[in-house]
Amino acid sequence: GAGVSQSPSNKVTEKGKDVELRCDPISGHTALYWYRQSLGQGLEFLIYFQGNSAPDKSGLPSDRFSAERTGGSVSTLTIQRTEQRDSAMYRCASSQGDYNQPQHFGDGTRLSIL
Amino acid sequence: EDQVTQSPEALRLQEGESSSLNCSYTVSGLRGLFWYRQDPGKGPEFLFTLYSAGEEKEKERLKATLTKKESFLHITAPKPEDSATYLCAVQAAYNTDKLIFGTGTRLQVFP
Repeated sequence: GAGVSQSPSNKVTEKGKDVELRCDPISGHTALYWYRQSLGQGLEFLIYFQGNSAPDKSGLPSDRFSAERTGGSVSTLTIQRTEQRDSAMYRCASSQGDYNQPQHFGDGTRLSIL
Repeated sequence: EDQVTQSPEALRLQEGESSSLNCSYTVSGLRGLFWYRQDPGKGPEFLFTLYSAGEEKEKERLKATLTKKESFLHITAPKPEDSATYLCAVQAAYNTDKLIFGTGTRLQVFP
């Protein structure tokens, strides 16, 4: 079956611009996660959505970062007024929702801020 | 502070040369420990979940074990196709919303 799909696969933009990254989770998965992976660093948790519950935004690094999930499916991560330190691989994962179910990852969006 | 440390950072093996990767963790109550494989340009691919000390899981040439402080990923008679980065992550009992990842071990297996 189809896995987690992320788009675009690469995004290059100028400092100060806003960017939107999209994630299509596996069909039927109620939980959706965003992580950031910088060079030489481990995956860093950003935000978690579970069904209709309020998202866990505890990992968002600043108020320039926001995310939404429409209809319990597709999610968009938005970064406003991008800075060079935002350059990283952004990965989305989904799971069946039970905490002991494994998270399945997409291939990521590589974001480069010039 | 919850933390995951993986060692070594990189490992080069000859085909057939067995070895182990280490994942040491510090977490306030472990809910689960996860192993993933990551190929270049791809997202992490789930391998195993371990929940309690003494637990073991196997898949082909891989076996994962867990103690109260660390996990090992044993690779028996590796093949070149086992070359990848192996990631370890923990899930804390107090916050099951996220995984806390190590930086990975980059494994290269030469024929």
